[in-house]
Amino acid sequence: TQLLEQSPQFLSIQEGENLTVYCNSSSVFSSLQWYRQEPGEGPVLLVTVVTGGEVKKLKRLTFQFGDARKDSSLHITAAQPGDTGLYLCAGAGDYGQNFVFGPGTRLSVLP
Amino acid sequence: DSGVTQTPKHLITATGQRVTLRCSPRSGDLSVYWYQQSLDQGLQFLIQYYNGEERAKGNILERFSAQQFPDLHSELNLSSLELGDSALYFCASSPHAGLAGGLGGELFFGEGSRLTVL
Repeated sequence: TQLLEQSPQFLSIQEGENLTVYCNSSSVFSSLQWYRQEPGEGPVLLVTVVTGGEVKKLKRLTFQFGDARKDSSLHITAAQPGDTGLYLCAGAGDYGQNFVFGPGTRLSVLP
Repeated sequence: DSGVTQTPKHLITATGQRVTLRCSPRSGDLSVYWYQQSLDQGLQFLIQYYNGEERAKGNILERFSAQQFPDLHSELNLSSLELGDSALYFCASSPHAGLAGGLGGELFFGEGSRLTVL
């Protein structure tokens, strides 16, 4: 069974600060995704990374996939209250059947 | 709006009872996934159907069952409910049969059904 760990579990910061959250596994993934889930809603896809070492930017969010495709990071620059939510990483194994989610990082950005 | 519809949004029932959760996928999506989300377990994959056939099974209890109908909507049946079954149940849909290596298909989630077992 492929397991994903995310850190930190909780993060509370002030508006304007930068932050990085991490997603780690001992398994290799063919692709890794980041989702954001807001209260009362389902997760929404932010990005998919498929190549080791890949970096993708989405406005103030920067996503990186580790060279060995076992880990990923999400960096947010100048966080805003609208970034508040649960950030989930999810990996698809080489066999590609099941989508495994990490436990999430719960981010709170205070105005 | 993801295009995935789940009903009911909230459900309160007693231990030992049986409930059915319903999901309508996005138009054109053939795969339906069911996930359970609780505070201590995170988002746990339960089961996937593709075009009416079971495609993959995760940590789904024997008390739970699901099916996908010819019109592609899906139902998750939870029976002999226990207090620990209280959770958010999400349905997601995708056009893909599975996440073949490198394909990285997107999952579109509904808003979930919150089940409370008293």
